[in-house]
Amino acid sequence: NAGVTQTPKFRVLKTGQSMTLLCAQDMNHEYMYWYRQDPGMGLRLIHYSVGEGTTAKGEVPDGYNVSRLKKQNFLLGLESAAPSQTSVYFCASSPVVFGRDIQYFGAGTRLSVL
Amino acid sequence: DAKTTQPPSMDCAEGRAANLPCNHSTISGNEYVYWYRQIHSQGPQYIIHGLKNNETNEMASLIITEDRKSSTLILPHATLRDTAVYYCIVRLSWGKLQFGAGTQVVVTP
Repeated sequence: NAGVTQTPKFRVLKTGQSMTLLCAQDMNHEYMYWYRQDPGMGLRLIHYSVGEGTTAKGEVPDGYNVSRLKKQNFLLGLESAAPSQTSVYFCASSPVVFGRDIQYFGAGTRLSVL
Repeated sequence: DAKTTQPPSMDCAEGRAANLPCNHSTISGNEYVYWYRQIHSQGPQYIIHGLKNNETNEMASLIITEDRKSSTLILPHATLRDTAVYYCIVRLSWGKLQFGAGTQVVVTP
């Protein structure tokens, strides 16, 4: 049981380049999330999805786009990378169970933008 | 969502209980208290959560005060593998966890 898998694990981009981060979950969860974590700080929510075909903005959505074409996949896109987007990106998923909103996280993608 | 306050760091001796405090004085009646931890550079891991009653699972115990303005996470027998950043989170709306800076717990031999 793989849980939440993020690819790639590491990436270095030049300013202005684009890339897509992939998150895949095999737990049949309805909800999926993308967070970023900067050094010494907690996680901040970028975008989230409450189901296939739906997405919504989180706390820090600017500069990112997302898509959820399949229930098991949640993609995070950077159209024109900036040094301020250097961070560790975490994906998470959660089931819809009343009173038990537990998020399961991937191992993270470490992104450097030069 | 209610804001939480945690000490930035604390040490604990291996084998002893670790008591991690969290203040959430603005919590409302429907908000749950969640605890996650993040072992160095890994993704956060769920520990436990509760609404009003004290809770216990295989990882930890959660004690919530009667007025619900504070809570304590208890790791009963800390091991070196419990060294991590521990996040106390209070949330109302589904799925939106607001992580603060957390408490860096260092378990020493």
